Amino acid sequence: DAGVTQSPTHLIKTRGQQVTLRCSPKSGHDTVSWYQQALGQGPQFIFQYYEEEERQRGNFPDRFSGHQFPNYSSELNVNALLLGDSALYLCASSLQGALGYTFGSGTRLTVV
Amino acid sequence: GQNIDQPTEMTATEGAIVQINCTYQTSGFNGLFWYQQHAGEAPTFLSYNVLDGLEEKGRFSSFLSRSKGYSYLLLKELQMKDSASYLCAVDAPPNTGFQKLVFGTGTRLLVSP
Repeated sequence: DAGVTQSPTHLIKTRGQQVTLRCSPKSGHDTVSWYQQALGQGPQFIFQYYEEEERQRGNFPDRFSGHQFPNYSSELNVNALLLGDSALYLCASSLQGALGYTFGSGTRLTVV
Repeated sequence: GQNIDQPTEMTATEGAIVQINCTYQTSGFNGLFWYQQHAGEAPTFLSYNVLDGLEEKGRFSSFLSRSKGYSYLLLKELQMKDSASYLCAVDAPPNTGFQKLVFGTGTRLLVSP
């Protein structure tokens, strides 16, 4: 039973560029949440998707957007990249109404 | 607002016991989680508390006091592989019924021989 899969594992982008990160949830899960984790910090909630809609959003600008597909997989898009967007981006899946998250290994984004 | 505090770093010796504290102030509370995270890896689930008291699971135990907004993670018989960051997270959803974890900054534990 595959857990949460994220791609790519590492990515280097230039300031001003756009990036798309991908996440496949654990089998049986229907909800995907995205977190940003800066070096030495705890994960910060970006947003959550359920039934292909954004259900909750953290304190992140509109440059951060997402999507959920009918198969429950999800994408995180970041436009106009800033140096400060360099971080580990974690995807966590869960089943609506059930307890707990399963985290993916993350995508390490470096903006230069 | 949401505020979760835990120490930045702790050190301990192999075979010893260490307690990592977490205090929280959140607008909602559906339970408190502890995760372990090795450098560059995904957080992995350690424990969950929703009622006051102690939950024991092998070498790891977690305690919760809801009235005090306080939790701790107790690690016994420390091993070198326990060197990692330990994240305290509160499920503090808005009134939408959706789970939302709010994390502390994490406590980096260094275990020495």
